[in-house]
Amino acid sequence: DIVMTQSPDSLAVSLGERATINCKSSQSVLNSANNKNFLAWYQQKPGQPPRLLIYWASTRKSGVPDRFSGSGSGTDFTLTINSLQSEDVAAYYCQQYSSSPRTFGQGTKVEIK
Amino acid sequence: QMQLVQSGAEAKKPGASVKVSCKASGDTFTSFYIHWLRQAPGQGLEWMGIINPSGGATTYAQKFQGRVTMTRDTSTSTVYMELSSLRSEDTAVYYCATAGQLEPWFDPWGQGTLVTVSS
Repeated sequence: DIVMTQSPDSLAVSLGERATINCKSSQSVLNSANNKNFLAWYQQKPGQPPRLLIYWASTRKSGVPDRFSGSGSGTDFTLTINSLQSEDVAAYYCQQYSSSPRTFGQGTKVEIK
Repeated sequence: QMQLVQSGAEAKKPGASVKVSCKASGDTFTSFYIHWLRQAPGQGLEWMGIINPSGGATTYAQKFQGRVTMTRDTSTSTVYMELSSLRSEDTAVYYCATAGQLEPWFDPWGQGTLVTVSS
């Protein structure tokens, strides 16, 4: 199984500042056939199901604010939230869909400082 | 886009079984695979398995082999996840979510079903 490890487990960021979440996979999730990274990012607020933010590591889902961005390739990935808003308080998860079983990072909780 | 609506919360005793439903609407039921995942209280997300509504083929995570059964009813566009021999560690919110062959990420998700296992 591919192990996904996020860091940090939690972070507190001031409103308007940047939040950076890292995700590392135990194996590369880059598909050489199409040069795409099989990685997604989700946001989960308390009492709600996860919400897809980003797929192919850096493609923002339609309707997701452009302050959310994803980057990275191979085994190292980053989710960046620019200019943090109060509504961004949530847990964030990375997930690989390169191989079965699909696996998630343990999550990163973002709070307001 | 497809929408998924799950059945309500369940309370079960250890050793019992639970069957959770996930009804799809808004898109062709057989166009997407449906996955089941769970999230224990305060914990992360765990993938349980997948069902292809078109033919009913399933693949289960090794952890749940022998205890989980996923089925579908094409007449009502509903998939089911049954988990048997419940123990307290199975207390969790269970989610269904769609993923396509060309769009293999989980989107959308059902609202979740809380299953509580307690004596």
